[in-house]
Amino acid sequence: DAGVTQSPTHLIKTRGQQVTLRCSPISGHKSVSWYQQVLGQGPQFIFQYYEKEERGRGNFPDRFSARQFPNYSSELNVNALLLGDSALYLCASSLPTSTDTQYFGPGTRLTVL
Amino acid sequence: EDQVTQSPEALRLQEGESSSLNCSYTVSGLRGLFWYRQDPGKGPEFLFTLYSAGEEKEKERLKATLTKKESFLHITAPKPEDSATYLCAVQADAGGTSYGKLTFGQGTILTVHP
Repeated sequence: DAGVTQSPTHLIKTRGQQVTLRCSPISGHKSVSWYQQVLGQGPQFIFQYYEKEERGRGNFPDRFSARQFPNYSSELNVNALLLGDSALYLCASSLPTSTDTQYFGPGTRLTVL
Repeated sequence: EDQVTQSPEALRLQEGESSSLNCSYTVSGLRGLFWYRQDPGKGPEFLFTLYSAGEEKEKERLKATLTKKESFLHITAPKPEDSATYLCAVQADAGGTSYGKLTFGQGTILTVHP
């Protein structure tokens, strides 16, 4: 079975630009979560979506937004990019069930110049 | 606020030299504690979920244990291919909803020399 897929793999943007990252969950999974991982740190929670509804939001500014589509895929949008937004953006999917185990994709490496 | 602290930050072992990684946590009602392995530039790979104190799980050379305040990842007779960053994360009990935020520690970088 295919795992979580993310696109693009790498992305280079300049300050002030906007970026859209995409995620397709494991087949049958209905929940998608987004995390930001800065080099040398653990992932930080950004959003969780379930059945197209936002279920949770981390401590990130309003420049970050997301949505989930009827096929459970998801997009993360970041506006007005800052140098500090450079990071590995991870998508994770889960069923969810009572276990709520989240399975991660390979990530999108975003570099802001 | 949920917090996770991992130690040591980095660990160098010789092949075959067993050791343990520590994950200390504070959370308002633990729903689950998760261990992941992450190779450089890749997404975290799921290893274990632990739900209650006293629980243990094993997979090949890895064994995870859980107490009310910490978890240990024991590595028995490690091989060079076990070299990676090991991440610990907690999920708080959100009162029965499907809200599943994971709070991660900073990770332990494990290097196993042949």
